[in-house]
Amino acid sequence: KQEVTQIPAALSVPEGENLVLNCSFTDSAIYNLQWFRQDPGKGLTSLLLIQSSQREQTSGRLNASLDKSSGRSTLYIAASQPGDSATYLCAVSGSGANNLFFGTGTRLTVIP
Amino acid sequence: EAQVTQNPRYLITVTGKKLTVTCSQNMNHEYMSWYRQDPGLGLRQIYYSMNVEVTDKGDVPEGYKVSRKEKRNFPLILESPSPNQTSLYFCASSLSGIAGPYEQYFGPGTRLTVT
Repeated sequence: KQEVTQIPAALSVPEGENLVLNCSFTDSAIYNLQWFRQDPGKGLTSLLLIQSSQREQTSGRLNASLDKSSGRSTLYIAASQPGDSATYLCAVSGSGANNLFFGTGTRLTVIP
Repeated sequence: EAQVTQNPRYLITVTGKKLTVTCSQNMNHEYMSWYRQDPGLGLRQIYYSMNVEVTDKGDVPEGYKVSRKEKRNFPLILESPSPNQTSLYFCASSLSGIAGPYEQYFGPGTRLTVT
């Protein structure tokens, strides 16, 4: 069964710093990987989706990379802002099925 | 506005009292799914539906039922709720199945407490 791990569980950085969030998965036979943002008391918002044939995707200050063979993805956030404070989740699609497997998230705090 | 809605947002109930959490999307999406989120365990898929009248089990289907009679609606039914079903529930939808380049849209969540 696919297992998704996100380390660290929590991260605090000063405003303006560039940062990297990590996601690893055990089964490299995936269709895609998604990064989500979750704000307290709210649902998840999709940030980036990388298909298995792609290496990276970019949206504004966010860049996500995928190394399927090593089972790793990173989410790079440039010039962090207090509004970036949230929990970031990664999820991978299960091969041969329609399951989506989530990590437990990294709670990011950007200090003004 | 494109969105996934869930009702109710908060629910406190007692063991054994049947309940339904509704989910509706206005994007004509084929794929819909239910997740529960628990501390330390993350989100786990309960059921999913590829289209009308097509549903299948996710990772943790025990104690839950679903139906998909209309494309826009995907209700989650707890026939006899138990305290271990206390959780935060999310409904999600996407244009097609999760194997494609289609992002998942999530509802705002339903916080369920079973006493």
